[in-house]
Amino acid sequence: KAGVTQTPRYLIKTRGQQVTLSCSPISGHRSVSWYQQTPGQGLQFLFEYFSETQRNKGNFPGRFSGRQFSNSRSEMNVSTLELGDSALYLCASSLGFGGYEQYFGPGTRLTVT
Amino acid sequence: GIQVEQSPPDLILQEGANSTLRCNFSDSVNNLQWFHQNPWGQLINLFYIPSGTKQNGRLSATTVATERYSLLYISSSQTTDSGVYFCAVEAPGGSEKLVFGKGTKLTVNP
Repeated sequence: KAGVTQTPRYLIKTRGQQVTLSCSPISGHRSVSWYQQTPGQGLQFLFEYFSETQRNKGNFPGRFSGRQFSNSRSEMNVSTLELGDSALYLCASSLGFGGYEQYFGPGTRLTVT
Repeated sequence: GIQVEQSPPDLILQEGANSTLRCNFSDSVNNLQWFHQNPWGQLINLFYIPSGTKQNGRLSATTVATERYSLLYISSSQTTDSGVYFCAVEAPGGSEKLVFGKGTKLTVNP
């Protein structure tokens, strides 16, 4: 069974631009979560989607948004990029909502210049 | 929200040595996972262990949910075990999916 896939793997953007990242979960998994990893803040939860509905949201500004499609694929969008948004963005999928094992993709490394 | 503390933050071993990594958490959990982050950044699942004991080759883990801690044991360490080990927990009804500790950076020297 294929793992979680994320595209693109690397991205360089300029401050003020916007970016969209994509995540395809493991087949049959209905929950997708997004995390940001930076050297200073570590791994932080962004949001979780289950059955196309946002179920949880971390403490991030409204510039960070996401959505989930009927095939469980998810996208996250960051508008008006700031230098501090440079990070590794990780997506995870699980079978269901609440207490299920999470499986992570390889991540998208975003650099904002 | 729930707090997760990992210790030690850094660990340096000689190949062949054994080690124990600890994860303390501040509230009851319905999910606890251990991960190894590879040099390219991917989180590799080691254990899904909200309670009890599991073993996988040279690695084993124990979670004592009533005392709110988990231990990861690495025996006969190899240089390929080097990297950062994360503990992550999910609280029932919590507002965050997984809350991560700051990790333990393990270096295994030949």
